[in-house]
Amino acid sequence: DADVTQTPRNRITKTGKRIMLECSQTKGHDRMYWYRQDPGLGLRLIYYSFDVKDINKGEISDGYSVSRQAQAKFSLSLESAIPNQTALYFCATSFPGINEQFFGPGTRLTVL
Amino acid sequence: GNSVTQMEGPVTLSEEAFLTINCTYTATGYPSLFWYVQYPGEGLQLLLKATKADDKGSNKGFEATYRKETTSFHLEKGSVQVSDSAVYFCALSKNGGSQGNLIFGKGTKLSVKP
Repeated sequence: DADVTQTPRNRITKTGKRIMLECSQTKGHDRMYWYRQDPGLGLRLIYYSFDVKDINKGEISDGYSVSRQAQAKFSLSLESAIPNQTALYFCATSFPGINEQFFGPGTRLTVL
Repeated sequence: GNSVTQMEGPVTLSEEAFLTINCTYTATGYPSLFWYVQYPGEGLQLLLKATKADDKGSNKGFEATYRKETTSFHLEKGSVQVSDSAVYFCALSKNGGSQGNLIFGKGTKLSVKP
């Protein structure tokens, strides 16, 4: 079984809808991250969490919110989706003091 | 601020050709440097890393040397295979403190033809 899982893997929605993307991990890592990938722009950090209830904004947090209610779960929400949020979203985890991050398989989100 | 610049793709090579993907960085202090690979339809996975100057990371025939004097971490492979077709990301992370966040380059897509 994969160590970092994301649900759903694909989602098509309409402008204005609320969307939640889920990330779960079995690695026992304290740190979790949400990234967005766009063609030609690489990965950009949206939010990150170093522990349960700890939330930090990344480079592009506007229009997004997150929740970390348990060590193993980190969810990303789009309160009112817009077309320019169409992208590939990745969750990642890491252990404190170890800079390597482990990535989930990604969620492809399309906002019409 | 900290940043990573890597060569733009796409890069198209024939099987068994030599590969170089350039990566340079801007950072204060002594960051750790990484190469991640993303195969089609998958998430990123760590390919190799180096944590201090002159360190050489290597994995699956790929190598990269941490060059502080030129602030570079170029990825090389002597003989590429079709299975190496993927997108490659250079990244850095500041050591110490409570950070550890990765800063990625924009990625370089590699296509290897039989």
